[in-house]
Amino acid sequence: DGGITQSPKYLFRKEGQNVTLSCEQNLNHDAMYWYRQDPGQGLRLIYYSQIVNDFQKGDIAEGYSVSREKKESFPLTVTSAQKNPTAFYLCASSMSTYNEQFFGPGTRLTVL
Amino acid sequence: AQKVTQAQTEISVVEKEDVTLDCVYETRDTTYYLFWYKQPPSGELVFLIRRNSFDEQNEISGRYSWNFQKSTSSFNFTITASQVVDSAVYFCALSEFNAGNNRKLIWGLGTSLAVNP
Repeated sequence: DGGITQSPKYLFRKEGQNVTLSCEQNLNHDAMYWYRQDPGQGLRLIYYSQIVNDFQKGDIAEGYSVSREKKESFPLTVTSAQKNPTAFYLCASSMSTYNEQFFGPGTRLTVL
Repeated sequence: AQKVTQAQTEISVVEKEDVTLDCVYETRDTTYYLFWYKQPPSGELVFLIRRNSFDEQNEISGRYSWNFQKSTSSFNFTITASQVVDSAVYFCALSEFNAGNNRKLIWGLGTSLAVNP
């Protein structure tokens, strides 16, 4: 089945550690996105990528980094520079930035 | 500046009632897209509909219907005969055409719908 997978579903990390969230899609979509959602809040865009080897900062990129070496994969690294990383992280993809986005199941990150 | 407002933070209805979720947007673009997404308690967002700015026809899909009115910059979503499974947070979004042809979504803050048995 085509879709977007994110792993792990739940992630715990100690303060000061970097952590990488996985996002894979087999929809053959060119564009991919990372969002952050805090309790009771909307979605905030962290990074997005329109094509392989290219990505742009979203609204809250500080403390995060990404790579897009393959069309199918768009991993997000939450660095120790991110002051308040505990949140729900959603990955999405779309045929292009003009089309509707399809979402993965999300990763809930908790910093201990 | 582009903006999406969902004024209803929370709505609670009894099963089988009809309910309308409001979405008002602001944009200077003449070409734009509007979207609705559903986020059930599991957390994964589910795409419901995309509407472009040149198509003002109302859309119906089963118990769901959407009313797009450019004159009032609104794109409202109605659920007819609501069911408990409709309980979720619903987000409205607007596509933005910013510098460099990079289009991204502007999201509303969502409306939390509770359908009680």
